[in-house]
Amino acid sequence: SYVLTQSPSVSVAPGQTARISCGGNNIESKNVHWYQQKPGQAPVLVVYDDSDRPSGIPERFSGSNSGNTATLTISRVEAGDEADYYCQVWASSINHVIFGGGTKLTVL
Amino acid sequence: EVQLVESGGGLVQPGRSLRLSCAASGFTFDDYAMHWVRQAPGKGLEWVSHISWNSGSIAYADSVKGRFTISRDNAKNSLYLQMNSLRAEDTALYYCAKGRELSLFSAMDVWGQGTTVTVSS
Repeated sequence: SYVLTQSPSVSVAPGQTARISCGGNNIESKNVHWYQQKPGQAPVLVVYDDSDRPSGIPERFSGSNSGNTATLTISRVEAGDEADYYCQVWASSINHVIFGGGTKLTVL
Repeated sequence: EVQLVESGGGLVQPGRSLRLSCAASGFTFDDYAMHWVRQAPGKGLEWVSHISWNSGSIAYADSVKGRFTISRDNAKNSLYLQMNSLRAEDTALYYCAKGRELSLFSAMDVWGQGTTVTVSS
């Protein structure tokens, strides 16, 4: 089965740049989606298809995908960005949706 | 306003059944794939199942295959999850989510607030 690996936590000071990685075998061949989940709330899509942003998502959120790693980059981090972030792909060979284990972003 | 509202959760004994529902509004329901995603207390997101716009393609996570059945009624703008032979490890918050496009591999762009399922004797 296909596995997505995320670091459990990332910490960054306000105003700095946070980079959250998502590792998977040849992940660049897949469309990667990213979700933000704040405590007690439902997930929110922040990046889809590797690097596209839904309407209403700030330009500070961007994504990239190359080789075996996809990355969600949050520029000029704000206190309100503190949340869990999940990457997700569709494993076509088994017709399954796969989520990464999630990364907790802490704003210092 | 695009909205998904789940219902049907509750406390159930191991081995029993439960049926979850998701009422959709604010969009053309039969234009999109739909998903069920769950989150155990303090854990990450786990995909459960998805169904194509016309029910022609359905898939399940290995953890629920053979026990859960997803279905949809496009005339009623509703998604369902029939859960049989429930186990303690099925205890979670269950989310209904809308695919961003018709295709099953598109991102999930709208989520409900979830309904809680607790399996315990």
